[in-house]
Amino acid sequence: QKEVEQDPGPLSVPEGAIVSLNCTYSNSAFQYFMWYRQYSRKGPELLMYTYSSGNKEDGRFTAQVDKSSKYISLFIRDSQPSDSATYLCATMAWGAGNKLTFGGGTRVLVKP
Amino acid sequence: EPEVTQTPSHQVTQMGQEVILRCVPISNHLYFYWYRQILGQKVEFLVSFYNNEISEKSEIFDDQFSVERPDGSNFTLKIRSTKLEDSAMYFCASSEAANGNNEQFFGPGTRLTVL
Repeated sequence: QKEVEQDPGPLSVPEGAIVSLNCTYSNSAFQYFMWYRQYSRKGPELLMYTYSSGNKEDGRFTAQVDKSSKYISLFIRDSQPSDSATYLCATMAWGAGNKLTFGGGTRVLVKP
Repeated sequence: EPEVTQTPSHQVTQMGQEVILRCVPISNHLYFYWYRQILGQKVEFLVSFYNNEISEKSEIFDDQFSVERPDGSNFTLKIRSTKLEDSAMYFCASSEAANGNNEQFFGPGTRLTVL
């Protein structure tokens, strides 16, 4: 079983729609959860960072973590064409040299 | 806004040659990392570095790889004898690592092409 799994997409939505992304993970030691946005051939850009279970909101972005089911989500409200990118989830366990384990990414396309 | 920078943006080398990839982490950050991403694949952890020593390394980070912080600002990744399969994007990242802040910020990457 892969440590972190994401549906690769592509996920195509009309402009203004809510984008819903999710990841599952297998290692119960993971305590930190991140979402990154990556444009083609660019570096990952940190969007959201959460610790343990719960919700976190930042502007149009909401991240949710459910440790009991090992499930993490990212919601993007009022999506824009500029949100078209690949979204990567990443997890980290405490005391593991801050090693991030990434999912494979979900490609999102927001159509005008 | 502070950011991680990397040079060069693209490096082409012959198999068996040594390459050094350079990074300038965010100035008040204490933890430094290298990751790589083979085209179409996941971002993979290579190594983390803290207090002038390797904190954690992956199976990929074998004897052909080394890291160094030669001065107060640069952080380098050296590949001693490149192989075709080393062709990838290499990302440097840094984190503050103070007060439990483990947010990692990535640079734009160096695209390494081994011929």
